[in-house]
Amino acid sequence: DTGVSQNPRHKITKRGQNVTFRCDPISEHNRLYWYRQTLGQGPEFLTYFQNEAQLEKSRLLSDRFSAERPKGSFSTLEIQRTEQGDSAMYLCASSLAGLAVLNEQFFGPGTRLTVL
Amino acid sequence: AQSVAQPEDQVNVAEGNPLTVKCTYSVSGNPYLFWYVQYPNRGLQFLLKYITGDNLVKGSYGFEAEFNKSQTSFHLKKPSALVSDSALYFCAVRDTNDYKLSFGAGTTVTVRA
Repeated sequence: DTGVSQNPRHKITKRGQNVTFRCDPISEHNRLYWYRQTLGQGPEFLTYFQNEAQLEKSRLLSDRFSAERPKGSFSTLEIQRTEQGDSAMYLCASSLAGLAVLNEQFFGPGTRLTVL
Repeated sequence: AQSVAQPEDQVNVAEGNPLTVKCTYSVSGNPYLFWYVQYPNRGLQFLLKYITGDNLVKGSYGFEAEFNKSQTSFHLKKPSALVSDSALYFCAVRDTNDYKLSFGAGTTVTVRA
């Protein structure tokens, strides 16, 4: 499968614990995006990278959230001191740069986080 | 700022009937518009996009969408719906020179046999 992959698919954690999610984009894609989707809502933008550079972060991304893309390939999203309000589906997407404004984003299956 | 509205939470149609899912948008520049579909426990799948040119855009699985600048709309259509089209549909917009997508809240489509 050459699509976007995300691990784990499901994560259940207790409030106050730290969690880390991984996203592997489509291999030739140099732009990578994180979104969060809560029940009954559309995905909301969190952050995006071009290669290893994090170019934009949403106000939704509190200081408990950090994302990295150290070698411009896979990315990790870490949430520290999780809260029940962090429970959501976390989606990763990738696209080509260059004419990136014209390119659609391809989404992974998501990581569903449940904070107890 | 950019935003999308999907005025219908649910659309129910009989198999073989036309399907329309409505979307209106707001952007400050020129809009780039997208439709995605989401099946249970799966990620968003790209259906089609409007960037420029012909207002009628054709996409995957027999879907098409019509861009209407004066009404700021981008409605998704399918002439003859299938039961397998039952899913959650999202409209998304991106402003000129921006990269992030803004999504609507989604419309659940149910096609009954």
